[in-house]
Amino acid sequence: DVKVTQSSRYLVKRTGEKVFLECVQDMDHENMFWYRQDPGLGLRLIYFSYDVKMKEKGDIPEGYSVSREKKERFSLILESASTNQTSMYLCASSLLRAGVINYGYTFGSGTRLTVV
Amino acid sequence: GIQVEQSPPDLILQEGANSTLRCNFSDSVNNLQWFHQNPWGQLINLFYIPSGTKQNGRLSATTVATERYSLLYISSSQTTDSGVYFCAVEGSNTGNQFYFGTGTSLTVIP
Repeated sequence: DVKVTQSSRYLVKRTGEKVFLECVQDMDHENMFWYRQDPGLGLRLIYFSYDVKMKEKGDIPEGYSVSREKKERFSLILESASTNQTSMYLCASSLLRAGVINYGYTFGSGTRLTVV
Repeated sequence: GIQVEQSPPDLILQEGANSTLRCNFSDSVNNLQWFHQNPWGQLINLFYIPSGTKQNGRLSATTVATERYSLLYISSSQTTDSGVYFCAVEGSNTGNQFYFGTGTSLTVIP
């Protein structure tokens, strides 16, 4: 069964800390994505990556960076955590589109981050 | 990006009732997914359905791509169906990124 694993289910950090959220997939997917989910705002894309060492900004990249050194791992970094980054963070992966049927997203179980 | 609108935003059902959730999107799409988010936050894929109709048990979905909408049908609802249902679309010109609606929150009461 395909899997996307996020390293922590719950996380509490202090304002100003550097925070790392890890996501690992075992499906050999090319694409990986980081979203945050907030009540009333749905899922918003932070960053995504189509390949190793490649990254693209999503809709709300400010205050975040990412790292993809290996195909299976995509890390989200909060350079200096702030209280407005308290949220649910969701990682997803997918195959490249061409020639693939049913290539949509598979999500991890999410990380609830609280910044105090 | 593509605008995705879901309706209704909230729905309360008696166990055993049927329901229809709607997703409208603003542009042509290559793919569309329906997800169910359970109370623990996990998003579970229900259907990949860029067009046509699919059924899986009590759930079925229909996408009419030419009219830019999709419907998710839940029949004989159960309390375990509670949660938030999201529609996500991949545009024809937006690479592999999916755009999400804000969801329909379903509560099924016994």
